[in-house]
Amino acid sequence: KNEVEQSPQNLTAQEGEFITINCSYSVGISALHWLQQHPGGGIVSLFMLSSGKKKHGRLIATINIQEKHSSLHITASHPRDSAVYICAVSLRGTGTASKLTFGTGTRLQVTL
Amino acid sequence: GAGVSQTPSNKVTEKGKYVELRCDPISGHTALYWYRQSLGQGPEFLIYFQGTGAADDSGLPNDRFFAVRPEGSVSTLKIQRTERGDSAVYLCASSPRPGPPVSPLHFGNGTRLTVT
Repeated sequence: KNEVEQSPQNLTAQEGEFITINCSYSVGISALHWLQQHPGGGIVSLFMLSSGKKKHGRLIATINIQEKHSSLHITASHPRDSAVYICAVSLRGTGTASKLTFGTGTRLQVTL
Repeated sequence: GAGVSQTPSNKVTEKGKYVELRCDPISGHTALYWYRQSLGQGPEFLIYFQGTGAADDSGLPNDRFFAVRPEGSVSTLKIQRTERGDSAVYLCASSPRPGPPVSPLHFGNGTRLTVT
């Protein structure tokens, strides 16, 4: 069983829809990261959070430490949001808090 | 003011050959990470440098893989006797400090390695 699980693996939405991507983890963490990866491109860090909720533009990330669960929400989705969204965690006690363990990603396609 | 730079962006090599992949981190970032991403998978940790030293190389799959960071800035990932299973995107990331507290990672665009 992977330490970081994401759902769904693939998601297709129409422009304007509200989107939720989920991440569950099974280990102690010091932080959780949401990352965006465009085809052929590098990875961009969207959020890093260890509690509560963060918002940036149309993106919202929440985390529930007790339930070991995080969600990434996209409001008013747009075709340019199409990308792979990856959840990653910094494991507690690994010597470096910035070493990440990744989920396999959620491939999002937003259509007109 | 550039971000993390990786060269080459694409590398095609024959099985058995030696390859070097380069990563130029953001200036001043002391922590540098190498990850490998196979098709359809999330990245997997290979090695982490704090300054010049490899602080954690537990992710290197075998002794064909080696990485250096001699001056604490640019890093080179070296793969000997390449195998077809080494084909993947090799990602480099840097951060201002290793943590704690955790600091966000800045990723390069990766080097796509294809072993034929």
